[in-house]
Amino acid sequence: EADIYQTPRYLVIGTGKKITLECSQTMGHDKMYWYQQDPGMELHLIHYSYGVNSTEKGDLSSESTVSRIRTEHFPLTLESARPSHTSQYLCASSGGRSGRNEKLFFGSGTQLSVL
Amino acid sequence: DQQVKQNSPSLSVQEGRISILNCDYTNSMFDYFLWYKKYPAEGPTFLISISSIKDKNEDGRFTVFLNKSAKHLSLHIVPSQPGDSAVYFCAASSRGTALIFGKGTTLSVSS
Repeated sequence: EADIYQTPRYLVIGTGKKITLECSQTMGHDKMYWYQQDPGMELHLIHYSYGVNSTEKGDLSSESTVSRIRTEHFPLTLESARPSHTSQYLCASSGGRSGRNEKLFFGSGTQLSVL
Repeated sequence: DQQVKQNSPSLSVQEGRISILNCDYTNSMFDYFLWYKKYPAEGPTFLISISSIKDKNEDGRFTVFLNKSAKHLSLHIVPSQPGDSAVYFCAASSRGTALIFGKGTTLSVSS
């Protein structure tokens, strides 16, 4: 079973605050991802990393930033939260090698509400 | 433009009957397809996958069919159970790239 953890599960915060969403996995996976999802919509890839010190932006433009200093940890930061950032943020990982397909394991998600 | 399309936002089925969820894709480079199940305020959980070298994969009550010429795949759930009620996402990738998801279909199974 997947061992990928996200904290917090729910976060309500005021406009302008800086927040960091935590994501950790204990499977030793090299690949990690952040998706954003709104009800009735597809999951949009906002950031991904294929290894330590490697991060890339995804298909959906996002004002958030990520870091990958350790294999198991992939935090996402919003420097100044706005109501438009209200969404569910989903972290995922996979052990697939470059060029090989493998399923993603997802965390439980963080439901962010910016007032 | 959406590369993975789930054109039915919702589906209602009676318990014990078959549920058929459909998915279309436009990118002919996709070679790996997956179905995920998601409850509100939870992360998606993996259900079943299929490689483009196959046209069918079965796992218990779940079967995925792939029609490459039509760029279409479907998920069959037989028999449907109330606990299957959730949002089902179709996803695809090519050569190990990040998954691209459809908008999901909400399945409601009534007893």
